[in-house]
Amino acid sequence: AQKVTQAQTEISVVEKEDVTLDCVYETRDTTYYLFWYKQPPSGELVFLIRRNSFDEQNEISGRYSWNFQKSTSSFNFTITASQVVDSAVYFCALEENAGNNRKLIWGLGTSLGVNP
Amino acid sequence: EPEVTQTPSHQVTQMGQEVILRCVPISNHLYFYWYRQILGQKVEFLVSFYNNEISEKSEIFDDQFSVERPDGSNFTLKIRSTKLEDSAMYFCASSARINEQFFGPGTRLTVL
Repeated sequence: AQKVTQAQTEISVVEKEDVTLDCVYETRDTTYYLFWYKQPPSGELVFLIRRNSFDEQNEISGRYSWNFQKSTSSFNFTITASQVVDSAVYFCALEENAGNNRKLIWGLGTSLGVNP
Repeated sequence: EPEVTQTPSHQVTQMGQEVILRCVPISNHLYFYWYRQILGQKVEFLVSFYNNEISEKSEIFDDQFSVERPDGSNFTLKIRSTKLEDSAMYFCASSARINEQFFGPGTRLTVL
């Protein structure tokens, strides 16, 4: 069955610390996509990244980086030199390759608090 | 930059009333979705819509729910007789190609 696990419910760090948010997924499919979304206190969902299951290259975007390890079914997200504006709930999500039936399966989210 | 819009941003209703949540997807998108998020919980898939019909729906999407694309631009979610447990944030999303969903800002539904 499809499942996304974000074991860390809440993380609290001090500004400028690095922080890694874990995501582990389960899927029967060989082709799938993984996503990270940010939900700030205002409530909207902000797209951060999409990763194809065939592309295991790590990605860096500014202070953000993602480590995709297919062997361990993990897609972890690291924020380097965290800032107060990074405080939000972060969701990892999975989408399987299933014709026109597309849906995102979401983790429970990790609430990140960055303190000054 | 084109974006998905949703109205209203906040809807308060009495239990048993019908509500219609409205979404305007990005204009060239073909796939449409509704998700909901009960306060403090994860986002849950409700329904996907393609080619003027439902592609998939979750167990949550029972007979009280319906979706419609009435005029080629709007995409609506109707809840016929709201219950207290329908209180949640409802997100609309759309995609042109499959695998890249763009989300609206959400409608917060409060059922009293």
